[in-house]
Amino acid sequence: AQSVTQLDSQVPVFEEAPVELRCNYSSSVSVYLFWYVQYPNQGLQLLLKYLSGSTLVESINGFEAEFNKSQTSFHLRKPSVHISDTAEYFCAVSESYIPTFGRGTSLIVHP
Amino acid sequence: DSGVTQTPKHLITATGQRVTLRCSPRSGDLSVYWYQQSLDQGLQFLIQYYNGEERAKGNILERFSAQQFPDLHSELNLSSLELGDSALYFCASSVKDGTHTQYFGPGTRLTVL
Repeated sequence: AQSVTQLDSQVPVFEEAPVELRCNYSSSVSVYLFWYVQYPNQGLQLLLKYLSGSTLVESINGFEAEFNKSQTSFHLRKPSVHISDTAEYFCAVSESYIPTFGRGTSLIVHP
Repeated sequence: DSGVTQTPKHLITATGQRVTLRCSPRSGDLSVYWYQQSLDQGLQFLIQYYNGEERAKGNILERFSAQQFPDLHSELNLSSLELGDSALYFCASSVKDGTHTQYFGPGTRLTVL
């Protein structure tokens, strides 16, 4: 069975500082990995995904995540955050068409 | 805008009542998923439909049921509502392209008083 652990429920940072949101997963087979973002009062939006190929994947707004098979991790990073990045971030793993989501990490960016 | 629509946006009702939540998937997507998001349980998968047929069941209570219609819209029916059913209910859709990517609607916030 697949599972996802997001190690931090809340991550406060100052604007323009770097950030890492941690995600570990467990699965018995090859998986697809996702990061979704949820802004206040909105649904989840896909941020980036790993399906195969290069282990480093990037989003259009400066986030990146690296798939590490040996450590079963898919941490999300951004070198310099903005106030507008304040949101809830969900890591998800999918063996089949039913993903399992982590509990979410609240990223709070302070001015 | 994901292209997935959900109505109503907010719903306030009383314990013991029954409500219906509606979802229209993105044009061309055959799969619809329902999720419940609450503070204590996080995002929980409830049920999946594919082209009108139930495909997978998750943590869905017996008091809850769903269906997908020929035009591919879906409804989630919640009955004998309890205070603990208060949550955000999301619908998501996906296309069978092998990427497992889901597109979420804006959600329906259900408050049971």
